[in-house]
Amino acid sequence: AQSVAQPEDQVNVAEGNPLTVKCTYSVSGNPYLFWYVQYPNRGLQFLLKYITGDNLVKGSYGFEAEFNKSQTSFHLKKPSALVSDSALYFCAVRDADSGGGADGLTFGKGTHLIIQP
Amino acid sequence: SQTIHQWPATLVQPVGSPLSLECTVEGTSNPNLYWYRQAAGRGLQLLFYSVGIGQISSEVPQNLSASRPQDRQFILSSKKLLLSDSGFYLCAWSVRAGHSSGNTIYFGEGSWLTVV
Repeated sequence: AQSVAQPEDQVNVAEGNPLTVKCTYSVSGNPYLFWYVQYPNRGLQFLLKYITGDNLVKGSYGFEAEFNKSQTSFHLKKPSALVSDSALYFCAVRDADSGGGADGLTFGKGTHLIIQP
Repeated sequence: SQTIHQWPATLVQPVGSPLSLECTVEGTSNPNLYWYRQAAGRGLQLLFYSVGIGQISSEVPQNLSASRPQDRQFILSSKKLLLSDSGFYLCAWSVRAGHSSGNTIYFGEGSWLTVV
């Protein structure tokens, strides 16, 4: 079975400061890892993903995430936060070795990111 | 480019009434299709997925059903709604792969269902 943990319900950051949204995962095989963002009453928007290769992945809107296999983590980061980054962020995982089917992603419970002016 | 459309955007239905939420994808062929439910603005639960016309897999036992009458059309239904069916329903698609893949899942804008 696969699972994702986002240990913080909410993260508060001052505008202009760096931000980190934490994510840890559990899969039996190798992971495919994703980050999505959701604005109020909207669907989820894809930000970035790790499949293989470089552990540092760059995505939309200046976000990046670092895959750390030893710590089973995939934290989302941005060097300088904007008020417009305030939203709900989801980490998700799929087991790369599960094989067959069209298994959907397993999502964390989400982290509210609040950027204060 | 690919787009996904989902409707209606909001729906208020009485307990015991039927439900039909519809989703279509444009700009791609043979997609995998998904229905997720999001409760209380948080956790996403996979309800159904489909790898082809008429092929539906259910992830959780529930009061809902899904159908895929055409390649790019996915419908979520219920014969009799329960209060607990209220929530935010999201349709999604991904490129079909023959095995577990790194393909991204793309979401529609969602449908708010309130059962009263």
